[in-house]
Amino acid sequence: DQQVKQNSPSLSVQEGRISILNCDYTNSMFDYFLWYKKYPAEGPTFLISISSIKDKNEDGRFTVFLNKSAKHLSLHIVPSQPGDSAVYFCAASPIHGSSNTGKLIFGQGTTLQVKP
Amino acid sequence: DGGITQSPKYLFRKEGQNVTLSCEQNLNHDAMYWYRQDPGQGLRLIYYSQIVNDFQKGDIAEGYSVSREKKESFPLTVTSAQKNPTAFYLCASSMVGGELFFGEGSRLTVL
Repeated sequence: DQQVKQNSPSLSVQEGRISILNCDYTNSMFDYFLWYKKYPAEGPTFLISISSIKDKNEDGRFTVFLNKSAKHLSLHIVPSQPGDSAVYFCAASPIHGSSNTGKLIFGQGTTLQVKP
Repeated sequence: DGGITQSPKYLFRKEGQNVTLSCEQNLNHDAMYWYRQDPGQGLRLIYYSQIVNDFQKGDIAEGYSVSREKKESFPLTVTSAQKNPTAFYLCASSMVGGELFFGEGSRLTVL
């Protein structure tokens, strides 16, 4: 059972436009969400996170939106740059309570291509 | 420079052989993790350890073993019991509950 889903395997956008990557989750115990970026043959690198007490977190060109009622989060990149071309993984974790182990549940990833 | 080092980066193994992937971190993180990535799938957790001399199975632990004798080191052994070991393996570390920092990965190919 896939608890974190990224239903779009790939996305292609023009340089300078907005990229929107989507992620859905099913477990209502998740209250901390992260986005990781991964280049081929490298490990993922942390990009941005959001806790469930917020509905938006912004860091430069990257903004993550969280809709708890819909169990949906999205990553907006604006303006998109060719260097943003990578695989983006969303991940979720319960960070509060004794069940917290620090381990993350990852989505399948979305490959973003930003065309010059 | 603080970070996570995985070795080897590429590894080939014959069927029936065990192989050990190394993971070392100098970030002073308590927790370490092993994930596996397959094409079209997210990262799946194999094993994790929150403290020295203790580790727990993740979602796909069958055919793998780990040890955590030192805080800095969390080697993963892919045993001959693992039915489909060809994959990209990622080691990560974190403060417990914090964001994960990943190594660059090890690609294992079984011939």
